[in-house]
Amino acid sequence: EDQVTQSPEALRLQEGESSSLNCSYTVSGLRGLFWYRQDPGKGPEFLFTLYSAGEEKEKERLKATLTKKESFLHITAPKPEDSATYLCAVQAIGNFNKFYFGSGTKLNVKP
Amino acid sequence: EAQVTQNPRYLITVTGKKLTVTCSQNMNHEYMSWYRQDPGLGLRQIYYSMNVEVTDKGDVPEGYKVSRKEKRNFPLILESPSPNQTSLYFCASRPRAADTGELFFGEGSRLTVL
Repeated sequence: EDQVTQSPEALRLQEGESSSLNCSYTVSGLRGLFWYRQDPGKGPEFLFTLYSAGEEKEKERLKATLTKKESFLHITAPKPEDSATYLCAVQAIGNFNKFYFGSGTKLNVKP
Repeated sequence: EAQVTQNPRYLITVTGKKLTVTCSQNMNHEYMSWYRQDPGLGLRQIYYSMNVEVTDKGDVPEGYKVSRKEKRNFPLILESPSPNQTSLYFCASRPRAADTGELFFGEGSRLTVL
């Protein structure tokens, strides 16, 4: 069964304190892994797509990496405006109509 | 501005009173989908549509109906809402079903069924 597990559920950081969020996945052939950011009261907003193990994508203070079983979202020197819930999702080969989402990591960056 | 628009954003209703949540996108996307988001469960797919008149069930379709008569609109219908359908609902779209790119989400519709 295709599934996605994210950890930790919540993470509190001081401004400037780097850390990583984890997304473990089980899928019958990965077509793509996606990271989204969700602010309170808003819909998820796309950040990255990763397609194959070893791939990395960067955007400002965020860097996403992918292995055959998990993905990490590294946050370098975070700022309070990085506070949000980060969602991971996968799309399987042969079933591209469906996206399987994790339950997210709620990040709180204190000034 | 490219966007996915949902209405209403907030709704409180009672058990059994039929309701429709509308979703409209202005990006000429073929693929549209509905999700519900519940604490600890993440986003779960309800229904999706690959194009006009083509719809299929997601993982949690019970109690919901959809239709896709026009490319831009994909309404979610709750014929007889029950309290377990209290949730935050999101509509999403992408250019084509077979794309490997991002989903574009609406702002969400928070539904409470008493």
